[in-house]
Amino acid sequence: SYELTQPPSVSVALGQTARITCVGNNIGSKNVHWYQQKPGQAPVLVIYRDSNRPSGIPERFSGSNSGNTATLTISRAQAGDEADFYCQVWDTTIDVVFGGGTKLTVL
Amino acid sequence: EVQLVESGGGLVKPGRSLRLSCTASGFIFGDYAMSWFRQAPGKGLEWVGFIRSKTNGGTTEYAASVKGRFTISRDDSRNIAYLQMNSLKSEDTAVYYCTQEIAPAAVWGQGTLVPVSS
Repeated sequence: SYELTQPPSVSVALGQTARITCVGNNIGSKNVHWYQQKPGQAPVLVIYRDSNRPSGIPERFSGSNSGNTATLTISRAQAGDEADFYCQVWDTTIDVVFGGGTKLTVL
Repeated sequence: EVQLVESGGGLVKPGRSLRLSCTASGFIFGDYAMSWFRQAPGKGLEWVGFIRSKTNGGTTEYAASVKGRFTISRDDSRNIAYLQMNSLKSEDTAVYYCTQEIAPAAVWGQGTLVPVSS
């Protein structure tokens, strides 16, 4: 089965740049989506198809995907960005798969 | 406003059945696939299954962990998707979410909690 590996936690200083990785075999050939989930809330899509932002998501959120690693980048991190982040891929050969999630802490 | 509302959750004993509903509004329900995801307490997100739109065959796909026990259906006349859960196990304890589409899933419901315990 296809696996996506995320770091359990990432810390970033207020106003600095956070990068959250999602590692999978040849993930660069797949579409990767990213979700933000705050405690007690449903997930929110923040990046779709590698690098696209849905309406209403700040430009500070960006994504990239190449080789075996997809990356979610959060620039000028704010306290309100603290959350769990999940990467997701789907294709007909692997079904729908999530990474294990990364807890972002803004110091 | 596009909205999804799950209902039907609650405490259920192992081995029993439960049906969840996902009521949609604000979009043409029949044009979209609908998915179910779940999240066990303190754990990550897990895909449960999805049902395609009737235009795309209305067929279903399931995660290995629930295949043969869970069934997804839809009633396009009422804008509702269902998740029928049979032979429930303690490891099925989770918040269950429905979403519009599969991946990316841009619209999520608020979730409904299903504790499975004797």
